Order: sequence, then structure tokens, then C-alpha cells
Amino acid sequence: RKEVEQDPGPFNVPEGATVAFNCTYSNSASQSFFWYRQDCRKEPKLLMSVYSSGNEDGRFTAQLNRASQYISLLIRDSKLSDSATYLCVVTPMNSGYSTLTFGKGTMLLVSP
Amino acid sequence: NAGVTQTPKFRVLKTGQSMTLLCAQDMNHEYMYWYRQDPGMGLRLIHYSVGEGTTAKGEVPDGYNVSRLKKQNFLLGLESAAPSQTSVYFCASSYPEESGRFVWETQYFGPGTRLLVL
Repeated sequence: RKEVEQDPGPFNVPEGATVAFNCTYSNSASQSFFWYRQDCRKEPKLLMSVYSSGNEDGRFTAQLNRASQYISLLIRDSKLSDSATYLCVVTPMNSGYSTLTFGKGTMLLVSP
Repeated sequence: NAGVTQTPKFRVLKTGQSMTLLCAQDMNHEYMYWYRQDPGMGLRLIHYSVGEGTTAKGEVPDGYNVSRLKKQNFLLGLESAAPSQTSVYFCASSYPEESGRFVWETQYFGPGTRLLVL
């Protein structure tokens, strides 16, 4: 099983729709979780961290399910500008320092 | 505050040629990274550094060397370029945050270098 797995998509949704992505991770000891966003031919940028209790930032909500080892990203009221690839990122170690492990990303296309 | 910058932005090499990619950051970050991104493969870590004068291998280090002589710079070298090294290369930097025994980080990426090896 790969360390971090995502559905590559693309997810095609109309403006205003609600869309959700899941990401599964293999290392049950993983402690830190993030969603990064990458626009076409640009660098990845941190979208939000994912906390155990879940967190919300405007139209974006991130959830963590440790029992099933997945994290999710929910986008409400999709905008054209939300079109991008969303990368799931996990720190696999449970102590000390560990480099980030990136998923391959899920592509979202929002159409008018 | 320029953040993370990379030079060059684009380069074409012939097989066997050498080149150095430069990454610079002005955020006083301790940690720096080099990734490559290929279609269908996602971001893969080549080498990283947790401080000036230190480097470590990542997931795909073969064919690359790195140096961190100054805290703000991280150089990636290709001694003898191969077509398999055609890719987009991203540099990133971060600062570690700690809580108890856990360390985590937010990585800031440069704009990337597109390399084509013929």
C-alpha cells in the first residue's frame, strides 16, 4: 500500500457546487496532516493544516479520521478560482523530525 | 521579502552535460529541500538539508548532488545529465515547529525550474 493515496480525478463540478476529496495514508503513527494546493505549472502552496478535531477556513473544511486513516477536504460553493490540484501531505513519523510525504494530488475543475 | 527563488527558470541540456540549480531563501529557514515533479508521479524528494553544512538523501537521490554552504542557499547539481532527469524541480524551505516530541513544518516552495535533457 502506498504511503499516501489520492484519487487523481479530475473532479468536474459547476460553480457553486460542493465537492469533497479523500486521502488515505498507510502509517498509523502519522501525526501531521496538511492540504496543499497547486495551480497549473505553479508551485504548491499550503492550503490548510488538518487537526484531530477538524478545522474550517471559510469555504474549506478539513477532517481527520484516525481510525480509518484518511483525511478529507470539503469545498463549499465552488469558485472558478478553486480549479487546481489538491495535494494531501502527511508526516509519517510519530516522533522527532520526518520529511513530508506528498500524495500525487486530486485535480479539481470548476466550470461556469 | 522574495521568499524562495530558483534559478534558472528553464534550461535545456544535452545528455552528459552538467549543471547546477540554485535555490535561495530570505526567510532564515533552517530546512531546505529539493523535489522533482513528474506527470503521474507527484512530488518526490531528492535531497534535503536540516542546517548549514548538512545534507541528507531523500527518496530519489541518484544522479544528483547537493551542497548547503550558506544557510540561505541550497544547490542541486547534475554531474552528467540523462533524459530521465527531464522534470520540473522545486526547491522548498521550512522552519520546524515543536510540540512535545513531535516536530512539524510548513514548506514554502520556489517557482520551479523546468529542465529538459535531450
